[in-house]
Amino acid sequence: AQRVTQPEKLLSVFKGAPVELKCNYSYSGSPELFWYVQYSRQRLQLLLRHISRESIKGFTADLNKGETSFHLKKPFAQEEDSAMYYCALSVGYSTLTFGKGTMLLVSP
Amino acid sequence: DTEVTQTPKHLVMGMTNKKSLKCEQHMGHRAMYWYKQKAKKPPELMFVYSYEKLSINESVPSRFSPECPNSSLLNLHLHALQPEDSALYLCASSHPRVAGTSTDTQYFGPGTRLTVL
Repeated sequence: AQRVTQPEKLLSVFKGAPVELKCNYSYSGSPELFWYVQYSRQRLQLLLRHISRESIKGFTADLNKGETSFHLKKPFAQEEDSAMYYCALSVGYSTLTFGKGTMLLVSP
Repeated sequence: DTEVTQTPKHLVMGMTNKKSLKCEQHMGHRAMYWYKQKAKKPPELMFVYSYEKLSINESVPSRFSPECPNSSLLNLHLHALQPEDSALYLCASSHPRVAGTSTDTQYFGPGTRLTVL
């Protein structure tokens, strides 16, 4: 069965510092990877997906099949980036398997 | 309309009550989902409907009964719940995946906060 691992429950950085939220997955085939974000008191929403290869709100993520990773990066964190970030994997049907999430706290 | 709406926002019920959660979307999505999210945990898939037919049931207890009356609506009927069923129940929708294409983005509702006493 597929699995998504986010090793950090909490990541705390200062404003302007680089951020990397780690995500590793286990699946032998070709998965689709996503990052979803949940801001305080807001609904869960898509941040980005690996097939789009785009930058959203300054965040990027590259799928590394050799390392089975899909780490989320931003060169300069902002206070408004503070949120819960979930890495998710889709295999076959449209269902999503979520990692346990990483809470990002950006301090001024 | 690009939102998924859910009602009610909050629900408190006793273990003998019968209640229903409602979800609605008008984005033309033909796949709809129910997730359960406990505090500080990721969403856990419960049910998937595709073209108004139940396609996935993740071994959910029968006290949860989903219903998809039409392509825009999704209900979750609750009966004889247990206190451990207290959680945030999320609805989501997307275009169903077609063979040879990528997975569509799922759009989530704000959730219904359920408390079972």
